[in-house]
Amino acid sequence: DTGVSQNPRHKITKRGQNVTFRCDPISEHNRLYWYRQTLGQGPEFLTYFQNEAQLEKSRLLSDRFSAERPKGSFSTLEIQRTEQGDSAMYLCASSRSGQFNYGYTFGSGTRLTVV
Amino acid sequence: GQQLNQSPQSMFIQEGEDVSMNCTSSSIFNTWLWYKQDPGEGPVLLIALYKAGELTSNGRLTAQFGITRKDSFLNISASIPSDVGIYFCAGPRSTSYGKLTFGQGTILTVHP
Repeated sequence: DTGVSQNPRHKITKRGQNVTFRCDPISEHNRLYWYRQTLGQGPEFLTYFQNEAQLEKSRLLSDRFSAERPKGSFSTLEIQRTEQGDSAMYLCASSRSGQFNYGYTFGSGTRLTVV
Repeated sequence: GQQLNQSPQSMFIQEGEDVSMNCTSSSIFNTWLWYKQDPGEGPVLLIALYKAGELTSNGRLTAQFGITRKDSFLNISASIPSDVGIYFCAGPRSTSYGKLTFGQGTILTVHP
C-alpha cells in the first residue's frame, strides 16, 4: 500500500491548452474523490466515483472539466481550454464505501499553474 | 449551503505553548473531522468525532464535538515545531454521503 498517488506533482500550462491529471487510489478503496484547493482556502469538492460510476459532480465542475475512472481503478481529470482561474491544487482522495468513516486518504496533489 | 468558519485564521506561538482553535457552522453536522496539511501535501486526518459532546484525543491533540452539533474545537498541548501547518475542520454534507465541506483553515506557526 503506497497511498494515493497523483501525477504530475506540478504542471505549468499556457492558457487555452488542455491538461490531464492522473490519480491512483489505494488499491482496495472503491471510492475516489477529486477536490480543488486555491490559496488560502480549504479543499472544495469536485466529483466522486464509486467503482467506475461517477455519482456526483459539483457545480464547480464546468463543461471544460471531465473526470473518468474507466475500470474502477485509476482516475483522470481533464481540463480543456484552461483559464487562469483554473490555477489551483487538484487533490485526489480515496476511501472504502459502506463504512462509517469519512477519513479518506488524500494524495499529495497536482499543482496547476496557468500562465 | 453548509459552510464552516474557522478561527483564528492564523496563530503565531512559542514552542511549548498550548493552542486552541475552533470551527463553527450555521448548520448541524453529524460528524466533525480535523485535518492537518503540510506545505505542498494533501490533508492528513488527525481526529474524527461522531457524537455530540464527544471528546477525543490523539497524542497531544484533543478535539471536541460541540453539544449543539454546530461547532467543534481542537486543542494542541505543548506545541513543537513540527506542529506547523494548516489545520482544517471538515464535515460531511447532509445531502450526500462521503462529500466533505472544509473550513478555510487555521495557519499555525511555532517559533522555537
